[in-house]
Amino acid sequence: EAGVAQSPRYKIIEKRQSVAFWCNPISGHATLYWYQQILGQGPKLLIQFQNNGVVDDSQLPKDRFSAERLKGVDSTLKIQPAKLEDSAVYLCASSLWQGETQYFGPGTRLLVL
Amino acid sequence: KQEVTQIPAALSVPEGENLVLNCSFTDSAIYNLQWFRQDPGKGLTSLLLIQSSQREQTSGRLNASLDKSSGRSTLYIAASQPGDSATYLCAVSIIQGAQKLVFGQGTRLTINP
Repeated sequence: EAGVAQSPRYKIIEKRQSVAFWCNPISGHATLYWYQQILGQGPKLLIQFQNNGVVDDSQLPKDRFSAERLKGVDSTLKIQPAKLEDSAVYLCASSLWQGETQYFGPGTRLLVL
Repeated sequence: KQEVTQIPAALSVPEGENLVLNCSFTDSAIYNLQWFRQDPGKGLTSLLLIQSSQREQTSGRLNASLDKSSGRSTLYIAASQPGDSATYLCAVSIIQGAQKLVFGQGTRLTINP
């Protein structure tokens, strides 16, 4: 069974630029999550999708972050414009349903200069 | 607001020792608790999941306990090996609108040959 795929693996941008991350969850998983992990901290949930609907985006900085899940499968997370404090690893995870075991992708490491 | 704390932040022990990692959480209203492993540059791998009604779970050399009333969990690793070197994260599953994970900051474990 293929795992959660993410791209790109690394990205370096300058502040005020925009960036987008892509995630392909495990086939058949209805729930998809985006996390932000700042160095030395645990992951923080940014947004959770159930199929193609948002069920939780309470910690998503909506003035600069946006996310969508096209047709309830792939998802993209966008930052526009980026700030220095957005430097982090962005992890995507998926699960069969809410509350089930989450499977994580390798993450995208973002550095904002 | 649920907060998860892991102590110590880093731990270094010689190979072969048994060790205990600690996790505490502030609100006992949890759905379950999970321990994850994170290797450098990689995503998270779920090690053990303890339902709120359970006291412990075992997998190979790993044993996790849960005391919900006191807000504590421990991860016991027997006969440690260099391959166990990684960051270990504890996360509680809560229902806040949607069901979601709240992570601790992790314990970075180094096993010295």
